[in-house]
Amino acid sequence: QTVVTQEPSISVSPGGTVTLTCGLSSGSVSSSHYTSWYQQTPGQAPRTLIYSTNIRSSGVPDRFSGSILGNQAALTISGAQADDESHYYCLLCMGYDIRVFGGGTKLTVL
Amino acid sequence: QVHLVESGGGLVQPGGSLRLSCAASGFSFSRSGIHWVRQAPGKGLEWVAFIRSDGKIQYYADSVKGRFTISRDNSKNTLYLQMNRLRPEDTALYYCARDQSWSFDYWGQGTLVTVSS
Repeated sequence: QTVVTQEPSISVSPGGTVTLTCGLSSGSVSSSHYTSWYQQTPGQAPRTLIYSTNIRSSGVPDRFSGSILGNQAALTISGAQADDESHYYCLLCMGYDIRVFGGGTKLTVL
Repeated sequence: QVHLVESGGGLVQPGGSLRLSCAASGFSFSRSGIHWVRQAPGKGLEWVAFIRSDGKIQYYADSVKGRFTISRDNSKNTLYLQMNRLRPEDTALYYCARDQSWSFDYWGQGTLVTVSS
C-alpha cells in the first residue's frame, strides 16, 4: 500500500521562506495526482490553499504557492507570518476513485 | 454563501450504527460532488467517501468499504453517511466537503462520532 509522506514538523523564521513536501513511499508525484494542500489550525476545519498542484484557492494570498519539485509536490510559503503556524496536509488523487492524505506537517514560526 | 452543516454524531457502542447528515446551502447542491473526510482525535485527515452530483457513483476508502454508505437527497440538499458495524477506530470528527477539481473547496465544521462501550 502506497503511503503519502510529509515532514512531521518544520520551523521557519518570521519573514522567511519554507517549502513543505508531499511524496510517495513508492513512485513519484506528478501533475496527474492533482495535489491539493490544506491548512488547519487547532479546533478549526481545514482551509483549502492550493488545488490541481498549483492553483490558489479563492482568497489565499500569493505568499502560498504549489509546485512539483523533482519527484514530490511542494507547498512554498514566502514571507512567513505568525498566523501561518498550523498543520498542513497534502492530498493526492490515487486514481479516479481514491483520495489519500499525507500525515501532515506541523509548521512552527519562530 | 456556501454552507455545509453536519449533524447526527454521538456516542455509539462498537458494532452499532449511526447516520450522519450534511445540510448544504448557498450553491447548486445537485450539481456538486461531495465528500466525507474524518479526523481522529489528535490525528491527521482521512478521506472517507465521495458521491457524484447525481448520486449514481460512490467511492470509498478501504477502511470503510462494506460498512459505510454515502448517499444524497438532492431534493433536500442533504448528504448522508450511513455507518454500520462501527469500530473504536471510527471515532473521529466527520466533515463533509464540496468537491472541486479533484480536491475540496468548502468544508463544514464537523460532527463528532465516538465509538465506545
